[in-house]
Amino acid sequence: EVKLVESGGGLVQPGGSLRLSCAASGFTVSSTYMSWVRQAPGKGLEWISIIYSSGNVYYSESVQGRFTVSRHNSENILYLQMDSLRPEDTAVYFCARSIYDIRKGYYFDDWGQGTLVTVSS
Amino acid sequence: QSALTQPASVSGSPGQSITISCTGTNSDVGGYNFVSWYQQNPGRAPKLIIYDVTNRPSGVSDRFSGSKSGNTASLTISGLQTEDDADYYCCSYRGGSGKVVFGGGTKLTVL
Repeated sequence: EVKLVESGGGLVQPGGSLRLSCAASGFTVSSTYMSWVRQAPGKGLEWISIIYSSGNVYYSESVQGRFTVSRHNSENILYLQMDSLRPEDTAVYFCARSIYDIRKGYYFDDWGQGTLVTVSS
Repeated sequence: QSALTQPASVSGSPGQSITISCTGTNSDVGGYNFVSWYQQNPGRAPKLIIYDVTNRPSGVSDRFSGSKSGNTASLTISGLQTEDDADYYCCSYRGGSGKVVFGGGTKLTVL
C-alpha cells in the first residue's frame, strides 16, 4: 500500500525557514517523480515543485530561488526546504507521487494528508 | 487568478447528472491530452478521479467521466450521490514550461 506522511509544518515568522518532510512507504521515492502542491486557506491547489527520478528539480515561479526540494534515498523521504518565507506562503503543503512524462501523462496519483505552514509575525 | 477557469459552484439533486467545465488555452488544455481531475473533501487530501482527459484510476466509480473539446475539458458525474458533495479541481500540463497548472476549483453541492 502506498502511503505518504508529511511533517514539519508550523508557525514561522516572515523571512524565516522551515523544512518539510514527506515519508513514503509502499514504493521508492528515488525511482519515481514526486511533487509538492500547496493550498492556501480557503483557496485552490497550486503546484510548486517536482523532482524527477533522475534528480532534476523544477519549481514554480512563485517559489523559485527560495524553496529547495531534495530526497534522502536510503530513508525514502522527500524534503522541501523553504527559505525567505512570506505570508503568502501560508498554506497546507501536500506531497504527491506523480506521473510526469510526455509518454505517460501528467497527474498526481497518491497524496499525503498535508502539513500546515503559517507564516506570520 | 487561476491558470484554468472553472465555475465556482455547481449543484444537483441525487440521481441527476452534472458537468463541471475547465477552460484553458491552446498551450495547456487544448494542446495536450493531459487533463486530470481531483476530488477533495474538506480537510482531506485531493483524490485523483480522472487522468489523461478520459481515464479513470482503478477503484473510481464509472459515474465519473471526462472529456475535452478544444480548450475546454469537462468532468461529468452521473447518478449524483450525497457522497459526491466535494470540491473538484482540474489540472493540465502546460507546454513550453514543463509544468502543470490547476483550475480554481468547483464546489459541488448535492441538494
